[in-house]
Amino acid sequence: GQNIDQPTEMTATEGAIVQINCTYQTSGFNGLFWYQQHAGEAPTFLSYNVLDGLEEKGRFSSFLSRSKGYSYLLLKELQMKDSASYLCAVRDPKNTGFQKLVFGTGTRLLVSP
Amino acid sequence: EAQVTQNPRYLITVTGKKLTVTCSQNMNHEYMSWYRQDPGLGLRQIYYSMNVEVTDKGDVPEGYKVSRKEKRNFPLILESPSPNQTSLYFCASSLPGKSYNEQFFGPGTRLTVL
Repeated sequence: GQNIDQPTEMTATEGAIVQINCTYQTSGFNGLFWYQQHAGEAPTFLSYNVLDGLEEKGRFSSFLSRSKGYSYLLLKELQMKDSASYLCAVRDPKNTGFQKLVFGTGTRLLVSP
Repeated sequence: EAQVTQNPRYLITVTGKKLTVTCSQNMNHEYMSWYRQDPGLGLRQIYYSMNVEVTDKGDVPEGYKVSRKEKRNFPLILESPSPNQTSLYFCASSLPGKSYNEQFFGPGTRLTVL
């Protein structure tokens, strides 16, 4: 089975840096995604990691350690619009066209002035 | 514009009254999926489809049906809705394959069953 853990909620200040952690236990591994979801809206893709290391994309970076079953999303120079939920998802390794995602419950980030 | 559309966006209905939530994508994606999102439980997959006429159960399929008669459409059918199906529903689509293929999500349908 799959199990994904993320903190429920985090708070940070505008301009700061925040790290959102995700740990997973899966029977196989085919990649990890991070999505951003504003309240009541659709999730939107942020990043994808399949190999160990850091992937940087502007203010957002994502790190993966497959041996530790661990990932984090790093958000720099926080802005008020970054207040949202951040969803960690891993690909289910079962043969479903490699597209089935198993999601964590999400981390709600509150950015204050 | 590449997008996934869902209709209706909001629906209030009563127990037992059959309903259909439509989902359509214009990106020629093979893979489509339905999720429900509930507080504290995250996104859970209901059904998915790997191509036309190919559908299979996800993690929480009870009480739902789907069909995939055309590549672009993947409707979700609740034959006899019950209050425990009150939820926020998302349709998603993507290309198949093992490489980096993000899933594109529709805007969501908020369903209330009284």
